[in-house]
Amino acid sequence: DSGVTQTPKHLITATGQRVTLRCSPRSGDLSVYWYQQSLDQGLQFLIQYYNGEERAKGNILERFSAQQFPDLHSELNLSSLELGDSALYFCASSVLGGELFFGEGSRLTVL
Amino acid sequence: GQNIDQPTEMTATEGAIVQINCTYQTSGFNGLFWYQQHAGEAPTFLSYNVLDGLEEKGRFSSFLSRSKGYSYLLLKELQMKDSASYLCAVKMEAGTALIFGKGTTLSVSS
Repeated sequence: DSGVTQTPKHLITATGQRVTLRCSPRSGDLSVYWYQQSLDQGLQFLIQYYNGEERAKGNILERFSAQQFPDLHSELNLSSLELGDSALYFCASSVLGGELFFGEGSRLTVL
Repeated sequence: GQNIDQPTEMTATEGAIVQINCTYQTSGFNGLFWYQQHAGEAPTFLSYNVLDGLEEKGRFSSFLSRSKGYSYLLLKELQMKDSASYLCAVKMEAGTALIFGKGTTLSVSS
């Protein structure tokens, strides 16, 4: 158990819909990272937050957004969903500069 | 752009030694990480190199050559449970996210 909690574990929805994925980092970790993993692309970095502020952006689509709240939990919002958004979404946390600890992931299926 | 290359698949037998290579071309470098990921599960940390040389941790060792943009993960005394994907990742700057390669799927047979 990495100490990073993600909900929901599984989510099935339709094209055009919007979903929110939630992540609680390990106690004491101020950095939260979101990654998308699909079969053909591997782990793609989406966005990083540090202590409530956006720190870095990767390959995040404009239809996706995220935020980190004062209690350090983070949410990833995915809107206008397309079939290609079906993937495993991982959240990870770290002390700044350290190794990343990953949650179990949220598996999103868009039908 | 950033480029991290690993072989897609490798096979080996129980008790053997396998070396998984990773080459990288990135605009910055602040360390190289190896993670293990079993199918459908979260990646778990294996090793970290920031200086040239070999880091050993039990059956697993990792090597880094910064001048060559090259790393390898060495797994000894392979066990069936080592069947997994092995992900090479580069941190380009301190305090930033890891950029991952596509991973190497290792299959260990008896």
